[in-house]
Formats: sequence, C-alpha cells, structure tokens
Amino acid sequence: AQRVTQPEKLLSVFKGAPVELKCNYSYSGSPELFWYVQYSRQRLQLLLRHISRESIKGFTADLNKGETSFHLKKPFAQEEDSAMYYCALGGSNYKLTFGKGTLLTVNP
Amino acid sequence: DAGVIQSPRHEVTEMGQEVTLRCKPISGHNSLFWYRQTMMRGLELLIYFNNNVPIDDSGMPEDRFSAKMPNASFSTLKIQPSEPRDSAVYFCASSEYASNSPLHFGNGTRLTVT
Repeated sequence: AQRVTQPEKLLSVFKGAPVELKCNYSYSGSPELFWYVQYSRQRLQLLLRHISRESIKGFTADLNKGETSFHLKKPFAQEEDSAMYYCALGGSNYKLTFGKGTLLTVNP
Repeated sequence: DAGVIQSPRHEVTEMGQEVTLRCKPISGHNSLFWYRQTMMRGLELLIYFNNNVPIDDSGMPEDRFSAKMPNASFSTLKIQPSEPRDSAVYFCASSEYASNSPLHFGNGTRLTVT
C-alpha cells in the first residue's frame, strides 16, 4: 500500500528563516515523489518532482530512500511562500497518493 | 490553454438533492482524475479515467456517487442523493499520461450539503 505522512499540519516561520516541510512515505516499489503547492485562492499546482532534481522558487527536495523521506527545504523563506504544501507519491500504477498537507505561514 | 475548468465553483444544496459537478480537462490530456478534499482525510482519489474509460473507481465512497466521461473534453461527478457528510471540495485533474505525469488541477468545486 502507498502511504504519505506529513507530520505537521501547520508550520510557522519568520521571513528569512530556513524552512523544512517534512514528508515520509511508505511504498514497496520504486517511488516517484512530488511536491504540490496551493497558494491562497489558486489551484493546486506542481512545485517540483524528485526525478527533475531541480530547484523551484528556491525550494529543493531530496529523495532519501533509506529514511523513506522527501523533505522540502528552502534556506530563506519569503512571505509569498505562505501556502498549503502537499507531498505526493506515485508508484508503478497511476495512483498519486497525497499527504494531508502542511500549511506554511511565513511571518514578516 | 485555460487549464482544467470546473463548474460550479460553489454549490449549496439540501440533503437528498442531486448534485452534478462538471470538469473540462486540458485538451490532449488522456487521463482524468476526481479528488475529494476534506480537513479530516486530505486529498482522496475518487475515480480515474484513461481515454474516457473508467479504470479504477475504488475510491468512490458509495453507490450514491457516480462519474462519467462521455468524451475526451468532459466529465461529470454526480451525487444522488446528497448527504451533509459529502460536503467537501471536489477537484478534477488531468494529465498527459497515466503513469506519474504531473497533474493539472482545476479550481475545485466547494460543495455544501445542508
């Protein structure tokens, strides 16, 4: 079974502080991991995927198969990063399993 | 491209009434998904279509829920009869391929059943 755990429902940081949104997954096969973001009053959209190994809006995420984690990190948070973040797991089938999300608030 | 288009944006109805949610996927995408979002359960996959054919509806909660995709550019999710516990935001998403392609989401329909 596929499972995604985002342990923090809410995360609040100050502008300029580092931020890390945690994501752990459970999957017996070869996983594909994604981070989706939903800004206020906007639709859910893809932020990044692990196979791209890219940085989007200053965010990076590294797949750690040993720890079954795919934490999202940014060294210096900005107020515009405030949003709902969802970690998602795709396996050999078509199902994309989402975590319950973490609401990030970046305070001025 | 306008992206995935859902209608209505908001729906308020009374218990027992029929509700129909609509979705227009991105042109050229051959996979379509319906998700339900609640505070308690997060994002749950309800049903998935590939080339207009329902592939997996195991996420559909009950027989009260049904979904159709009569052509590549239109899908509906129907709840009949609706119940207060169906209140949620319903998202439609499409992707180019079935397997792990990025999903493109609509704005969602916020359903309130009183």
